[in-house]
Amino acid sequence: RKEVEQDPGPFNVPEGATVAFNCTYSNSASQSFFWYRQDCRKEPKLLMSVYSSGNEDGRFTAQLNRASQYISLLIRDSKLSDSATYLCVVIGGSQGNLIFGKGTKLSVKP
Amino acid sequence: EAGVTQFPSHSVIEKGQTVTLRCDPISGHDNLYWYRRVMGKEIKFLLHFVKESKQDESGMPNNRFLAERTGGTYSTLKVQPAELEDSGVYFCASSQEQGAAITGELFFGEGSRLTVL
Repeated sequence: RKEVEQDPGPFNVPEGATVAFNCTYSNSASQSFFWYRQDCRKEPKLLMSVYSSGNEDGRFTAQLNRASQYISLLIRDSKLSDSATYLCVVIGGSQGNLIFGKGTKLSVKP
Repeated sequence: EAGVTQFPSHSVIEKGQTVTLRCDPISGHDNLYWYRRVMGKEIKFLLHFVKESKQDESGMPNNRFLAERTGGTYSTLKVQPAELEDSGVYFCASSQEQGAAITGELFFGEGSRLTVL
């Protein structure tokens, strides 16, 4: 089993749509979770952290379900500029090294 | 402020040749990481430097890969001899102190794309 598994995508949605990405992780001892965003042929960048209580940043909402070892990212009112690959990330190891999922590609169409 | 820079952006070599990738982290970042993405796979950790010391090299695939960070500034990753399966994008990232362990934020370079023919 992969350490971090994500919806394979791609997700093709119209502007204004709401889209949700899911992610599961295998290590129940994991403590820290994040979503990164990667534009085509660019570097990954931190989008937001994921907290147990759930957290929101504008149109983006991240949630964590520790019992199910499940993380989600909800994007409301999708914009063309949201088109990217979204990477689910878990901190692993003693030095905070990041464990990435394969990513889910989102294409927002006009 | 300059971000993480990597060189070259793309390298095409033949099997058996040697390639050296370079990474310049953000100034003042003691932590430097190398990651790799093989086509169709997830980004995977290779190793972690704290200043000039290798903190964790558990992700290095084999002894054909050698990473150095002399003086604790820039780092190089040498692949010798290169094999077909080494093709992929090699990302370098840096962070302040134990930033990644706490905030999860690593600052990545745009990557060096390696193609081994």
